[in-house]
Amino acid sequence: DGGITQSPKYLFRKEGQNVTLSCEQNLNHDAMYWYRQDPGQGLRLIYYSQIVNDFQKGDIAEGYSVSREKKESFPLTVTSAQKNPTAFYLCASSIERELFFGEGSRLTVL
Amino acid sequence: AQKITQTQPGMFVQEKEAVTLDCTYDTSDQSYGLFWYKQPSSGEMIFLIYQGSYDEQNATEGRYSLNFQKARKSANLVISASQLGDSAMYFCAMREGYSGYALNFGKGTSLLVTP
Repeated sequence: DGGITQSPKYLFRKEGQNVTLSCEQNLNHDAMYWYRQDPGQGLRLIYYSQIVNDFQKGDIAEGYSVSREKKESFPLTVTSAQKNPTAFYLCASSIERELFFGEGSRLTVL
Repeated sequence: AQKITQTQPGMFVQEKEAVTLDCTYDTSDQSYGLFWYKQPSSGEMIFLIYQGSYDEQNATEGRYSLNFQKARKSANLVISASQLGDSAMYFCAMREGYSGYALNFGKGTSLLVTP
């Protein structure tokens, strides 16, 4: 089945550690996105990529990094510079109109 | 500045009744798209309906319709004949410009459908 796979679904990390969230899609979509969601909040854009080997910062890129070496993959690294990384992270892709989302990764910093 | 405003943090509706979820937006672009997504407690984001800025008719998808009032910059979601499974968070979103750009989301409205 075509779709977007995010892993891991749940992740715990200690303060000061970097962590990488995986996002893979087999929809042949050009554009991919990372959003962060906090309780009671909407989705805020972290990074997006419209094409392989190119990406742009979103509204809250500080403390995060991404790469887009393959069309299918758009991993997000949450670095130790991110002050408050505990959140729900959603990856999405699109080809024309609406965004298709993965099931999300919930990161908790202990 | 907030581009998408959803003024109703929470709403209640009785099963089988209709409910309107409010959304206003702010843009100076002529070409834009408006979206509604549903997020159940599982966390997945489910696309419901889309309205383009040049579409003259209001969009409809089954029990969902979008009440688009361009001059008022309003894009309210109407759910007819509510079902218990409609209980979820609902997000309004906007894309400005062409299809490769990201969506800006509102803060959402929590809808609870009661028997």
